[in-house]
Formats: sequence, C-alpha cells, structure tokens
Amino acid sequence: DAGVIQSPRHEVTEMGQEVTLRCKPISGHDYLFWYRQTMMRGLELLIYFNNNVPIDDSGMPEDRFSAKMPNASFSTLKIQPSEPRDSAVYFCASSLWERPYEQYFGPGTRLTVT
Amino acid sequence: AQKITQTQPGMFVQEKEAVTLDCTYDTSDPSYGLFWYKQPSSGEMIFLIYQGSYDQQNATEGRYSLNFQKARKSANLVISASQLGDSAMYFCAMREGGGSNYKLTFGKGTLLTVNP
Repeated sequence: DAGVIQSPRHEVTEMGQEVTLRCKPISGHDYLFWYRQTMMRGLELLIYFNNNVPIDDSGMPEDRFSAKMPNASFSTLKIQPSEPRDSAVYFCASSLWERPYEQYFGPGTRLTVT
Repeated sequence: AQKITQTQPGMFVQEKEAVTLDCTYDTSDPSYGLFWYKQPSSGEMIFLIYQGSYDQQNATEGRYSLNFQKARKSANLVISASQLGDSAMYFCAMREGGGSNYKLTFGKGTLLTVNP
C-alpha cells in the first residue's frame, strides 16, 4: 500500500515568493496533520483536519500560512510570502478514525528560503 | 514549562543489549496519551507505541515496551535486543485531554546509536 505522499521533496525559493506544499494521505484515512520540524523548535503541529474539515489551526504561525483540504485525497500548505525563518522540514501525516493517535508520516518536504 | 522532556540528547548501546530512553511529561489533565516515534536518517517519522493514561498495563509492541510510571510522570521507552537498524532519533509525544483532541506535543528527541 502507498504511504503518505508529499511533494516536492525539496524546495528552494527566494524570500517573498509563494510556496505550496502538497500532500496525499493514505487512502481511507480520516485525519490529516501538517507538522513543521526545525532544530530550534523541534516538531510542531501546525494544523489538522478531520474529514476534510480543519479542526485545530492554533499552531499555524501567522497569516502567511494557510492550509486547505479540498477532498479526502489531497491537502496543501501554502506560505505567502515566504521568509527565511520558514526554512524547515514540513511533514504531512494521516490516521484512521479508529486509531487517530497512530499517525503515518510522509517523507517530508525540506523547504529552504533564501 | 516544557510539556515533554527528553533529557538524553544521545545514547549509545551495544547490539543485542537493551536500552531505555527517558521521557517525562507535564500535564494537569487526567486524560492523556503518550507516544513514541522513531525518525531514522531517511527522515520520516514512524509510530512505535502508545500508552493511555487510564491503561492499567504497560504498552508493548514487539521489542518495544513503554515503562509508564504515572506518579513520576514518566513514560520511558525500552528497546530490547537492540539491532543496528534501531539507530535513529526517538521522540516522545503527548496528547492532552479526551474527546477529539488529537494534537500531539513532541519532545526534543534522543539520538540512539547502536554499535556492532
């Protein structure tokens, strides 16, 4: 079975540019999570969805960040405009409603903003 | 105060030996869950084990067991019979509250190196 798919795997962009990260969760999973990992702050939850509906976005750092889940098989995390401090690895994860705590992570997108 | 504390930045263990990775947590909520995830050098996070605050027995999953000491607020991960493939970062995490709160808070991690 395919796991969580993220694209791109690596993204290098200049400050001020718009960045869109994409995620395809495991088929049949009901929850989708976006995380950010940095050396300084560790792994932080940004937002999560249940059945395509955002449930908790308290971790989204500021208005420059937005996330959508138009359907059960696709989600995006957008940063506009990007800043150097947004450089991090962004993970998407998904889980089943029966075991929401058992989250399956994607390989991550390494974002570098210069 | 940090909600999850992992005091060991790095640990070394000989292959085939057991190792304990420490985790302490801080919450005033009576309902919570504790997790361990593994992050190998490839980068993706792998779920290992889960312990609920009301669970009477310590969780076990194959070679992984969680030593849950509620009074001490500790949730140490024990890996038995270490293998070279166990070399990775290990993260302890917590979910607070019941119901539909699935927000996890992660510790800083412990880098485990298994020596041949």
